[in-house]
Amino acid sequence: KQEVTQIPAALSVPEGENLVLNCSFTDSAIYNLQWFRQDPGKGLTSLLLIQSSQREQTSGRLNASLDKSSGRSTLYIAASQPGDSATYLCAVVTGNQFYFGTGTSLTVIP
Amino acid sequence: DAGITQSPRHKVTETGTPVTLRCHQTENHRYMYWYRQDPGHGLRLIHYSYGVKDTDKGEVSDGYSVSRSKTEDFLLTLESATSSQTSVYFCAISEQGAFSFNIETQYFGPGTRLLVL
Repeated sequence: KQEVTQIPAALSVPEGENLVLNCSFTDSAIYNLQWFRQDPGKGLTSLLLIQSSQREQTSGRLNASLDKSSGRSTLYIAASQPGDSATYLCAVVTGNQFYFGTGTSLTVIP
Repeated sequence: DAGITQSPRHKVTETGTPVTLRCHQTENHRYMYWYRQDPGHGLRLIHYSYGVKDTDKGEVSDGYSVSRSKTEDFLLTLESATSSQTSVYFCAISEQGAFSFNIETQYFGPGTRLLVL
């Protein structure tokens, strides 16, 4: 069974700092990997999707990388802002199943 | 934001009571999903639908049933609620199947908080 782990569980950084969130998965046979953002009491919003054949995707200040062979993905956030404060979740698709990590709770301090 | 609503948004019920949660979409997407989110487990797929009357099980389907009689509505039923089903339930939709190599993302509803006493 696929297992997805996100470390750290919580992260607090000062505004303007660049940061990296980590996601690891145990089964490299994935179709794709997605990063989501979840605000308190809200649903998930998709940030980036990386197909299994791709190595990275970029959207604005966000850059996600994928290394299937090592079972790792990183989400890089440049010049963090207080509005980036949220929980960030990664999810992989293996077979007919989605597997989500438990998320990293990010706080950006003004 | 994708047009997805969930009802009710909050519900408190007692063990053994049947409960039905509703997901409604205005996007005419083919695929609909039900997840539950619990501390320490992340989101787990309960059931999904790939068309009217077409459904399949997810990772944690035991104790749950679903129905989809119209494209826009996907119902999740707990036939006899148990305390272990206390959770936050999310509905999601996608235009194409998300379990494939296709580039596809899901759009999530706001969630339903269910407390089973």
